[in-house]
Amino acid sequence: DTAVSQTPKYLVTQMGNDKSIKCEQNLGHDTMYWYKQDSKKFLKIMFSYNNKELIINETVPNRFSPKSPDKAHLNLHINSLELGDSAVYFCASSQDGGNPGANVLTFGAGSRLTVL
Amino acid sequence: AQSVTQLGSHVSVSEGALVLLRCNYSSSVPPYLFWYVQYPNQGLQLLLKYTTGATLVKGINGFEAEFKKSETSFHLTKPSAHMSDAAEYFCAVGGGTASKLTFGTGTRLQVTL
Repeated sequence: DTAVSQTPKYLVTQMGNDKSIKCEQNLGHDTMYWYKQDSKKFLKIMFSYNNKELIINETVPNRFSPKSPDKAHLNLHINSLELGDSAVYFCASSQDGGNPGANVLTFGAGSRLTVL
Repeated sequence: AQSVTQLGSHVSVSEGALVLLRCNYSSSVPPYLFWYVQYPNQGLQLLLKYTTGATLVKGINGFEAEFKKSETSFHLTKPSAHMSDAAEYFCAVGGGTASKLTFGTGTRLQVTL
C-alpha cells in the first residue's frame, strides 16, 4: 500500500489549459504539502494544510489553488497553465509531533507536468 | 529566515571510498536539520535528522551526519560507498513554529567501479 500516492504520474498539456493533480495519504498524518521541483532539482514549498486548514501559502501565482476535502487528501488545481509551470510536483505529509519544525516528511513519487 | 547551501552539485566517488556531502545552513532559530535522498523517478525519503541531543546522528544505509553549530554545518558521510548509493541528496533545515522545510539545491552522488 503506497503511503502517499499522487495521480497522474505524468501530465502533458498545452499552454492555457487547466489541470489538477490529486494526492492521498493513508498514514493518518495531520499535515499535507505541495512542493515544486524545477528542472535544476530545486525544491520549494508551495502550500501546507493541517487538518484541512491552510497554514502555509508561499508566494505562488493565484492560478494555483490547493483544495483539501479531508485531511487525507490534498489536491492541486492549476489554471491557465504556462510554460514555466513545467516541473515535478511533489505531495508530502507529516505527523505533528508537537514540534512542527522537526516534522519528518513522507513524499509521494511526484507528478511530472510538461506544458507545451 | 532559513537557508541551506550544499557545496558541490555533483560528487563522484569510487565504490568503497568515503562519501562526504557538504551542507551549511543559516537559521535565526535553533535549527532542525535533515538529509533526504531521492532515487531516480522517486520521491524523497528521509536518511537522518538532527533535532536536539547528540550531535552525531546515524541514519539508514550506513550514513551519518554531524551537527556542528560553530561551523553551521551538517555534512553527510558514509565510510564506504556502494553502487546503490548513487542518487540525489538534499540537505534541509527546519525550525521555529512552522512546519516548513527549506531545502538545499541537492548534490548528485555518482559511484563508479
